[in-house]
Amino acid sequence: DVKVTQSSRYLVKRTGEKVFLECVQDMDHENMFWYRQDPGLGLRLIYFSYDVKMKEKGDIPEGYSVSREKKERFSLILESASTNQTSMYLCASSLRAEEAFFGQGTRLTVV
Amino acid sequence: QKEVEQNSGPLSVPEGAIASLNCTYSDRGSQSFFWYRQYSGKSPELIMSIYSNGDKEDGRFTAQLNKASQYVSLLIRDSQPSDSATYLCAVIRDTGFQKLVFGTGTRLLVSP
Repeated sequence: DVKVTQSSRYLVKRTGEKVFLECVQDMDHENMFWYRQDPGLGLRLIYFSYDVKMKEKGDIPEGYSVSREKKERFSLILESASTNQTSMYLCASSLRAEEAFFGQGTRLTVV
Repeated sequence: QKEVEQNSGPLSVPEGAIASLNCTYSDRGSQSFFWYRQYSGKSPELIMSIYSNGDKEDGRFTAQLNKASQYVSLLIRDSQPSDSATYLCAVIRDTGFQKLVFGTGTRLLVSP
């Protein structure tokens, strides 16, 4: 059974903190994605990766970075958390141009 | 122009009716097309994928793709209250990488 696991379901952080969101997939997928979802704005792509150590900016990369040291793990880093980064964060993985599978999501609140 | 556009709704249909959800995309090089369903507070789950022009049927769901018109649709026959959710259209753009882009979603309400 396909599995994408995000490290936390809920997270509360303070403004200015460095925040790590972890995502692990067990399907040997090449592609991994990080999205944020906000009411009325849909899923917006932050970063994606198509191979180990390879990454591409999505549509809203400002304030974020990513790391993919191993094929199964893709981390999203908020360098200095701000209140406008309060959101639902969703990780997904896919095999080339096929359907993506999502993790359960991390609801991040920055106070 | 947004890369993937959907009417936000809500689209209201009575139980047993056909629900028709539409999506347009801007990149003619797009290669793969998906419909996801998302219940409130949950992650998106795949309903249908379609890769070539025409219709693809799976149970009560039919996806339709028209690449010339850059148009994708999802028909839900015999709609049930449990179909009430937000439906997201997604497209893989041909940028050299498989960049998966979503529309903002259409909220469907099926009344008993």
